[in-house]
Amino acid sequence: GQQLNQSPQSMFIQEGEDVSMNCTSSSIFNTWLWYKQDPGEGPVLLIALYKAGELTSNGRLTAQFGITRKDSFLNISASIPSDVGIYFCAGQWRPNTGNQFYFGTGTSLTVIP
Amino acid sequence: NAGVTQTPKFQVLKTGQSMTLQCAQDMNHEYMSWYRQDPGMGLRLIHYSVGAGITDQGEVPNGYNVSRSTTEDFPLRLLSAAPSQTSVYFCASSYSGLAEQETQYFGPGTRLLVL
Repeated sequence: GQQLNQSPQSMFIQEGEDVSMNCTSSSIFNTWLWYKQDPGEGPVLLIALYKAGELTSNGRLTAQFGITRKDSFLNISASIPSDVGIYFCAGQWRPNTGNQFYFGTGTSLTVIP
Repeated sequence: NAGVTQTPKFQVLKTGQSMTLQCAQDMNHEYMSWYRQDPGMGLRLIHYSVGAGITDQGEVPNGYNVSRSTTEDFPLRLLSAAPSQTSVYFCASSYSGLAEQETQYFGPGTRLLVL
């Protein structure tokens, strides 16, 4: 199945630094989603984007739906230790058989206090 | 709302045993799906359902069965467990399987070890 290209694969940053990660695809999507997954837990939805060019914030998180509909990025400002986890993107489109979601392989974030 | 719930949280099986992973949601979502998550492989779709009585195969359906008799429940059955089915299984749901745009919400996962 299709996987989205997500980068970087991992990041090690100092507390207080800003973080940026992105996802690209060869296909266009109707919706871009960003999730965070803590160890031993299920993915939690952080931000949903519905419109090309849309910029949406959720606290210190900001994400954008690329103009081409083939990419998205997620920024985290002023990182804190609880930001540690795996972040991954997902793209959604709707063929006739029902909604399909495709996922990136994740960015592992480590925040050093 | 409890959201998407899954049971059990952990399970150990012997090769050849069968079991059912339970998934339920209380958000009146039409669309439900099962994924498995393996290191380096990301999330892979096993089966999905766009509504009660309707199911379809995803990317990796072999060895798994599903049924959708109610809107709320979407159990995943392992017919004869194999070590290759050792994985973390996530159930997810969306309001509609046929909307042009949709988000998806995940359960906490079931960690399965097949010996």
